Amino acid sequence: DAGVTQSPTHLIKTRGQQVTLRCSPKSGHDTVSWYQQALGQGPQFIFQYYEEEERQRGNFPDRFSGHQFPNYSSELNVNALLLGDSALYLCASSLGAGSTDTQYFGPGTRLTVL
Amino acid sequence: GQQLNQSPQSMFIQEGEDVSMNCTSSSIFNTWLWYKQDPGEGPVLLIALYKAGELTSNGRLTAQFGITRKDSFLNISASIPSDVGIYFCAGPGDYKLSFGAGTTVTVRA
Repeated sequence: DAGVTQSPTHLIKTRGQQVTLRCSPKSGHDTVSWYQQALGQGPQFIFQYYEEEERQRGNFPDRFSGHQFPNYSSELNVNALLLGDSALYLCASSLGAGSTDTQYFGPGTRLTVL
Repeated sequence: GQQLNQSPQSMFIQEGEDVSMNCTSSSIFNTWLWYKQDPGEGPVLLIALYKAGELTSNGRLTAQFGITRKDSFLNISASIPSDVGIYFCAGPGDYKLSFGAGTTVTVRA
């Protein structure tokens, strides 16, 4: 039973560039949530996707956007990268929109912006 | 937004010790969750608490849901080296989890 997978593992970009991160949910899950974890902090909710639509969004600017595909996998896109976007980006999957206590996290993508 | 405060921020443990950490919130939660994060990994759910006053164990871990529903604590008994990591409390809200800043547990040399 495959867990949540994310790619790439690490990524280095420069300011102003754009980045796309990918997530495949745990088998049987249909909902994907994205979190940003800055160094020394807890994860912060970015948004959740269910049925290919953004269902809820945290306090992040429009530079952060996402997509969910028919196979439930998801992408997180960040445009016009800032130094402050350097963080670990976590994907969590669950079954059903709004479900929170049954979210399973992937290993994350470490993004460094220079 | 909901603010979760964890203490202590960090702690050093000696193998065999019992350790305790807690989490307080500015808001009431109907569920409290405790996660552990190892280096290079995502958070893994340790214990979920669903009822005020509830005391739940998972092996050497014990967590309690405070009566006021604004706090929770986690105890680790007879700590072992693999207990090192970052422990987070989290409260579920609409579609999302709100996390504390974590308690970092390190083995004392």
